[in-house]
Amino acid sequence: GAGVSQTPSNKVTEKGKYVELRCDPISGHTALYWYRQSLGQGPEFLIYFQGTGAADDSGLPNDRFFAVRPEGSVSTLKIQRTERGDSAVYLCASSFMSPGGTGELFFGEGSRLTVL
Amino acid sequence: AQKVTQAQTEISVVEKEDVTLDCVYETRDTTYYLFWYKQPPSGELVFLIRRNSFDEQNEISGRYSWNFQKSTSSFNFTITASQVVDSAVYFCALSGMNTGFQKLVFGTGTRLLVSP
Repeated sequence: GAGVSQTPSNKVTEKGKYVELRCDPISGHTALYWYRQSLGQGPEFLIYFQGTGAADDSGLPNDRFFAVRPEGSVSTLKIQRTERGDSAVYLCASSFMSPGGTGELFFGEGSRLTVL
Repeated sequence: AQKVTQAQTEISVVEKEDVTLDCVYETRDTTYYLFWYKQPPSGELVFLIRRNSFDEQNEISGRYSWNFQKSTSSFNFTITASQVVDSAVYFCALSGMNTGFQKLVFGTGTRLLVSP
């Protein structure tokens, strides 16, 4: 499809396990974002990539969370030693950045993570 | 600090009624952007509008209209003649120059239920 694709759509894991969530942005979009949405809340910013580099990772809650985008397209959000509090929907978005502006963000349907 | 407040947790209306969703924001930035997103049950956030802080002109798009008032720090969203398909959670969001235009701060959302 032409939209932002996220896999898996659902992931159930046990406390302490390692998890990877994948995001495939819209082709040609240079900017990629990860947000986290807990039940009944609005999305919270985690990290933003411009190309291959993390331009702003100030939203990552702690060093158990890490994200990469090695070729400037697909991104993987990695969570080590998962905790029950990590349970949420992880949303990925992409945009075609126009210099000096804020492009419209196109969101995927999210990956729902449940930590038992 | 930036903050977005959506005081209405849930609104229920009957089809064809008009409904206004409130959004109040706080920011110290003089240059900022305001957004509205729609989140249907599928979970994918859908962009509705972006407004920059220098443009207070109200906007109308079909049945949707937005009222931006800097004097009251509000960016309210009105749906005229609501339809069942409008049922969703609506989020207001803010991004500013000092924290980075790419980092959106979302409100907690307003769930709109439109019944036939």
